[in-house]
Amino acid sequence: EIVLTQSPGTLSLSPGERATLSCRASQSVSSSYLAWYQQKPGQAPRLLIYGASSRATGIPDRFSGSGSGTDFTLTISRLEPEDFAVYYCQQYGSSWWTFGQGTKVEIK
Amino acid sequence: QVQLVESGGGLVKPGGSLRLSCAASGFTFSDYYMSWIRQAPGKGLEWVSYISSSSSYTNYADSVKGRFTISRDNAKNSLYLQMNSLRAEDTAVYYCARSSTVVTPSDYWGQGTLVTVSS
Repeated sequence: EIVLTQSPGTLSLSPGERATLSCRASQSVSSSYLAWYQQKPGQAPRLLIYGASSRATGIPDRFSGSGSGTDFTLTISRLEPEDFAVYYCQQYGSSWWTFGQGTKVEIK
Repeated sequence: QVQLVESGGGLVKPGGSLRLSCAASGFTFSDYYMSWIRQAPGKGLEWVSYISSSSSYTNYADSVKGRFTISRDNAKNSLYLQMNSLRAEDTAVYYCARSSTVVTPSDYWGQGTLVTVSS
């Protein structure tokens, strides 16, 4: 099983600031099959990024993903009020999908 | 538009059984892999199981293998999760989600159904 470790656990930032979230895998993620999701309280997760760097339909370009192998990053260039949420990475390249434990982006 | 609506959650005693359903609409259900993903209260996401479009392939997380069974009925546009030998640690919101293939992420999710295992 590929273990995904996200850091930091909580990110305290102000609207307009840049957010950088990390996701590290215990072994190489096949073909960059790495996704990022956003989840707000009481809601289902929403797909943001797939294939490590491709934005899902309708996702604003302030969200970007990068990385390969075992190290991946989600960047939010300028935080909007609606971006404060929990973010999860997921690998879907092995037969057993796994998620990271999440990073909470909170208002400072 | 794509809709996934879960049902069947509720309170069940340890050792009991429950069957979850997910009704799909707004897309060609038989073209997609489907999965169940759960989230314990206040915790992160945990993949539970997925099933191929034709039901020929299934896979399970070790935590549920041998106790849970995923199935689908393409004629009814429905996904199911039969959960047996339930434990307190199975308490969670259970989401159904769709993927184009086994190596694509889940692009649409339902709103979830809560399963509580408690005596």
